[in-house]
Amino acid sequence: QKEVEQDPGPLSVPEGAIVSLNCTYSNSAFQYFMWYRQYSRKGPELLMYTYSSGNKEDGRFTAQVDKSSKYISLFIRDSQPSDSATYLCAMSGSNAGNMLTFGGGTRLMVKP
Amino acid sequence: SAVISQKPSRDICQRGTSLTIQCQVDSQVTMMFWYRQQPGQSLTLIATANQGSEATYESGFVIDKFPISRPNLTFSTLTVSNMSPEDSSIYLCSASVSADTQYFGPGTRLTVL
Repeated sequence: QKEVEQDPGPLSVPEGAIVSLNCTYSNSAFQYFMWYRQYSRKGPELLMYTYSSGNKEDGRFTAQVDKSSKYISLFIRDSQPSDSATYLCAMSGSNAGNMLTFGGGTRLMVKP
Repeated sequence: SAVISQKPSRDICQRGTSLTIQCQVDSQVTMMFWYRQQPGQSLTLIATANQGSEATYESGFVIDKFPISRPNLTFSTLTVSNMSPEDSSIYLCSASVSADTQYFGPGTRLTVL
């Protein structure tokens, strides 16, 4: 079993839809949780990070962490075709600046 | 944040040769890392590049195959040695700007024939 599980998709939604992307993990030591967006042929771009449990909002993006369930989510409101990319969750133990463990990535397609 | 550049952006190499990838950060950072991303896959950590000491390699990666240098707080290189087609991949460097965040370069796309 992988430490971090993520549905690979592809997830196809119409423009304007609310998108929910999720990861589950097994290591209870993880405390820092990040979401990266990766466009084709580009490096991962940091979207959101959260520490421990709770919610964090930034514009159309909301990151949610439920440590009791070992489950994290990224919600995208009013999705746009420009949101079409692969979304990677990543997590770390005592220090987010240290080694990250990545999920496999979910490919999202937002259709106009 | 940090702006990270990598050179070359892509290369096509012959089996048995070596390629050195450069990573430059626009500010001093404590931690730098090298990852590999095979087509359609997620990122796998190769090693942590330590300034002033030997790199720390993850299981399955060895110094003879992937020698790493980190001469200062803004620069690192990764060499892929004695390449085979199985080394065809995207190689990414990243840097930790603070305890909270890690940023990535654009990647180097390597094809080995």
